Amino acid sequence: DAKTTQPNSMESNEEEPVHLPCNHSTISGTDYIHWYRQLPSQGPEYVIHGLTSNVNNRMASLAIAEDRKSSTLILHRATLRDAAVYYCILSGNNNDMRFGAGTRLTVKP
Amino acid sequence: DAGVIQSPRHEVTEMGQEVTLRCKPISGHDYLFWYRQTMMRGLELLIYFNNNVPIDDSGMPEDRFSAKMPNASFSTLKIQPSEPRDSAVYFCASSLSTGFEKLFFGSGTQLSVL
Repeated sequence: DAKTTQPNSMESNEEEPVHLPCNHSTISGTDYIHWYRQLPSQGPEYVIHGLTSNVNNRMASLAIAEDRKSSTLILHRATLRDAAVYYCILSGNNNDMRFGAGTRLTVKP
Repeated sequence: DAGVIQSPRHEVTEMGQEVTLRCKPISGHDYLFWYRQTMMRGLELLIYFNNNVPIDDSGMPEDRFSAKMPNASFSTLKIQPSEPRDSAVYFCASSLSTGFEKLFFGSGTQLSVL
């Protein structure tokens, strides 16, 4: 199964943009790239996903490298409520959704 | 829709007892996933179902763990007998399909085995 690599932790200042990287060098052509986040004491929640093209929604933007071996989740203006663990996941032909360790984002006021 | 509903929210039991966790997926969703989360191991996929049929149970840690989905609106995860190392938060999630559809998670069951 293709795996992802993320930094263990990142810090950001409130109201500034945040770029969360994810490496997935063994991604296959049919793998979708998903991002979820988990707020303290809650279950994970969906953030965004994409296949090849960059994606935008009300929560974030997903920038996918041309070779698809990496992607970046962009929070345009971090708030204190964005402090969470962010997970980058690949879903492939076997249709399982396996979470890695994720990146713990700290937002400083 | 009320979302994915898990019960109980908290369960405290003694070692050796049987534990049953319950999950009601979102109506119309045809995939159901069980996850376990601990500080040491993170969020682990235990098993998932498609149209009530188990597809991959390779994440189930031992024979003490079993999961069923008797119908489209209900699933159980049973641990028998329970051990202290089973203490964790157990999450259930459902989706319309997977690969390109989002997962919706329940609030989880906090299990403590004494």
